[in-house]
Amino acid sequence: QVQLVQSGAEVKKPGASVKVSCKAAGYNFTSYDIFWVRQATGQGLEWMGWMKPGSGKIGYAQKFQGRVTLTRNTSIATAYMELSSLKSDDTAVYYCALHHHYESGDLRVSWFDPWGQGTLVTVSP
Amino acid sequence: SSELTQDPAVSVALGQTVRITCQGDSLRTYHASWYQQKPGQAPVLVNYGTNYRPSGIPDRFSGSSSGDTASLTITGAQAEDDADYYCNSRDSSGNRLVFGTGTKVTVL
Repeated sequence: QVQLVQSGAEVKKPGASVKVSCKAAGYNFTSYDIFWVRQATGQGLEWMGWMKPGSGKIGYAQKFQGRVTLTRNTSIATAYMELSSLKSDDTAVYYCALHHHYESGDLRVSWFDPWGQGTLVTVSP
Repeated sequence: SSELTQDPAVSVALGQTVRITCQGDSLRTYHASWYQQKPGQAPVLVNYGTNYRPSGIPDRFSGSSSGDTASLTITGAQAEDDADYYCNSRDSSGNRLVFGTGTKVTVL
């Protein structure tokens, strides 16, 4: 079945960088966009950026512009999210998710399915 | 700040019906998708568009939309429906995706 499997938890010091991987399986890796979404403890969902694995086209949320870098390796069907200059409030669970969208007539909708299991990144001195 | 507003918390008696709403101007143009998230787990898609449900999602989860408000209704709530629920759609410009503020559903 379609699944996204993320790398394990990380503990980093302030100012460091972290790179999280998201390995795709069960579908053509280049066919769907992958989004990265984070969630601080007790908080809501916040998208960080997206990538079209086929073309390599990327978009970043303004909040993370300049600090986040999305890459991919199509030969191993894996997407990566690197966040630099880490601060304590970057402590969060980071998710990758497969993005779908559909438009026809009055129906315009996008959705995320499935999601990776999440990667906890802890930033602590 | 999110452009999709949800009530922070709602409660429902076991077996009763609860409606979760998501309000935003963009919902007049774009449909919403809905996610259930239990503690320590990743979000799971439960409904999208004009009431589409992924395989494996019970039919007690239904979606609808009217004007600037999208709704997720749980008909006959079960104990396992106790969770956080998030909506997702586009912002008012239509250029970026945004998540709702989230609703904590407590099944009593």
